[in-house]
Amino acid sequence: GQQVMQIPQYQHVQEGEDFTTYCNSSTTLSNIQWYKQRPGGHPVFLIQLVKSGEVKKQKRLTFQFGEAKKNSSLHITATQTTDVGTYFCAGPPYSGGGADGLTFGKGTHLIIQP
Amino acid sequence: DAMVIQNPRYQVTQFGKPVTLSCSQTLNHNVMYWYQQKSSQAPKLLFHYYDKDFNNEADTPDNFQSRRPNTSFCFLDIRSPGLGDAAMYLCATRTGTGRADTQYFGPGTRLTVL
Repeated sequence: GQQVMQIPQYQHVQEGEDFTTYCNSSTTLSNIQWYKQRPGGHPVFLIQLVKSGEVKKQKRLTFQFGEAKKNSSLHITATQTTDVGTYFCAGPPYSGGGADGLTFGKGTHLIIQP
Repeated sequence: DAMVIQNPRYQVTQFGKPVTLSCSQTLNHNVMYWYQQKSSQAPKLLFHYYDKDFNNEADTPDNFQSRRPNTSFCFLDIRSPGLGDAAMYLCATRTGTGRADTQYFGPGTRLTVL
């Protein structure tokens, strides 16, 4: 079955430093989605990437989708304490139908030290 | 306005005592999903409905069942909860009209098994 790997599992940064999490799928994805989950909360949708090589920005967050549509990254510039949480990548299989559920990566827990 | 609603937000049950979690949506989406998320882990897909068609993941235990009486509501039934079933249960919806549409998550129900 499809597997989605995500590294690192934990990342400690000083406030103001940059942060990157990487996601790699064992199969080609039709799209990749990124979610943020605060402690005690539920996953909140951040963005979806669909096209090969796509890059999208949301303020200090930059998302990339690989050319082969099997990997992706999320980069946060100049982290702030509000960025604390777990960042998950997730994707449906390329060969699937419109109703397929998401396979999530294990997530990267971002811990920020003031 | 809330789009995916889960009740209750916190549920406590006893070992072996059946429990039902509910999800409702105001989005009129075709697809509804149930995910299980254990502490510090990624959400794991249990099953989903496309309209009235039920799709079970291969590794979802028989102890978990689901019902979707109409478009708006979907229920998760745990017939005999064990201690290992303590988790956050997340409901999500999706239009299901294409591979590129996103999922909307509810706030989750945190299940405790005593």
